Amino acid sequence: KQEVTQIPAALSVPEGENLVLNCSFTDSAIYNLQWFRQDPGKGLTSLLLIQSSQREQTSGRLNASLDKSSGRSTLYIAASQPGDSATYLCAVAGGSRLTFGEGTQLTVNP
Amino acid sequence: SQTIHQWPATLVQPVGSPLSLECTVEGTSNPNLYWYRQAAGRGLQLLFYSVGIGQISSEVPQNLSASRPQDRQFILSSKKLLLSDSGFYLCAWSSNTQVGKTQYFGPGTRLTVL
Repeated sequence: KQEVTQIPAALSVPEGENLVLNCSFTDSAIYNLQWFRQDPGKGLTSLLLIQSSQREQTSGRLNASLDKSSGRSTLYIAASQPGDSATYLCAVAGGSRLTFGEGTQLTVNP
Repeated sequence: SQTIHQWPATLVQPVGSPLSLECTVEGTSNPNLYWYRQAAGRGLQLLFYSVGIGQISSEVPQNLSASRPQDRQFILSSKKLLLSDSGFYLCAWSSNTQVGKTQYFGPGTRLTVL
């Protein structure tokens, strides 16, 4: 059974810092890994999707890496802004199903 | 473009009452559909998924059921709610043409059972 762990559970940083969120998974037989953002009381917004054959994806200030063999992914956020404050969820896809981590709650202080 | 709707946005129900949450998708055909529950401070738990009309797979034994009466309609139901059914319910869809496609989430329904 796939298990996904995210560290840290919560993170508070001053505006402008570069930061890294971590995700690990137990079963390396995945189709892809996705990072989502969730604002309080809202649904999820897909940020980046990395196929199993890829090593990283970039979108603006976000960069996600994938090391399938070690079961790890990182989400790098450059020059953080208060608007980046949200919960970030990592999910791995096995077939049609996603297994989610419990998320990292990020607060960027102005 | 595709959109996904959920209603109601919030719901407060007494223990033992019935439940019906609805999810509809526009702009796509024959999507895979999913129901998730997110308890406070927890990750998302997959409850049900469907690959076609009338085809429902249950991931966890529980007090809830799901139905897909139409291609782009997914309903989550309960005959008698329990306190433990409280949570944030999210519906999602993905393309059925390729495995590993991203899932797109609705705005969610906040359910409080008192």
